[in-house]
Amino acid sequence: DTGVSQDPRHKITKRGQNVTFRCDPISEHNRLYWYRQTLGQGPEFLTYFQNEAQLEKSRLLSDRFSAERPKGSFSTLEIQRTEQGDSAMYLCASSLEWPSGSGEQFFGPGTRLTVL
Amino acid sequence: TQLLEQSPQFLSIQEGENLTVYCNSSSVFSSLQWYRQEPGEGPVLLVTVVTGGEVKKLKRLTFQFGDARKDSSLHITAAQPGDTGLYLCAGDWGGSYIPTFGRGTSLIVHP
Repeated sequence: DTGVSQDPRHKITKRGQNVTFRCDPISEHNRLYWYRQTLGQGPEFLTYFQNEAQLEKSRLLSDRFSAERPKGSFSTLEIQRTEQGDSAMYLCASSLEWPSGSGEQFFGPGTRLTVL
Repeated sequence: TQLLEQSPQFLSIQEGENLTVYCNSSSVFSSLQWYRQEPGEGPVLLVTVVTGGEVKKLKRLTFQFGDARKDSSLHITAAQPGDTGLYLCAGDWGGSYIPTFGRGTSLIVHP
C-alpha cells in the first residue's frame, strides 16, 4: 500500500444525475476525510470518519451530499441530483489518530467532477 | 469560523531567486501544516509545526512558526523550476485535526 487512492480520477456527468466516488485510505489509518477544492481555492472540509463512525457531517454542502464508510476501510461520497456548481476536485485524505499516529493527513490524487 | 490568510496569492520568479510566503490567522493554531500541490493532484504534506517559534528545514525550504502561534512563513532559497506549484498552509484549532486551508500561493519558477 503506497498511499491513498481515489476512483475515478475524472467524472463527467449531466446535471441531475447521481455520482459516487470511492476512496481507499492507507490501510492502517483510522481516520478518513473528504474535501472539495474549486479553482483558485484551498481544499474545503466536508466530512470525516473515525473507523466506520462519521464524526462530523455538518459541513457537507447540502443534503444532496452523503458519505459512507461501512466497514471502516474504504469510503464513498455520493452527490445526488448534481448541479453545475458541484463541478470541482473532490479530495480524500487519511490519517492515523494520536497517540498511535501524529494525526497528519495524507491526500489522494482527487476525483475531478465536471457537471454539464 | 477561523480564517487563514495567505500571501502573496501569486508569485512568478526566476530560477535562483529567494522567496517567502506567509500564512496568518487571528486565532492561535494548535498546529499548522504546509502542503505543496501540483495541478491535477492532491496536496502533499511538507511539514507540520506545533511549537511557537519553531523552525524546520527541508533542504532549501525553511518553515517558521510565529512565537504566538498565529502565523507562519515558508522561505525558499535559490528556487528551482521543480519548486513550481501551489503552496497551501492549513491550520487546526483546539486539536480537532480538522484543518482549515488557506487559498494558497501559486508559485512559478522560470528557468
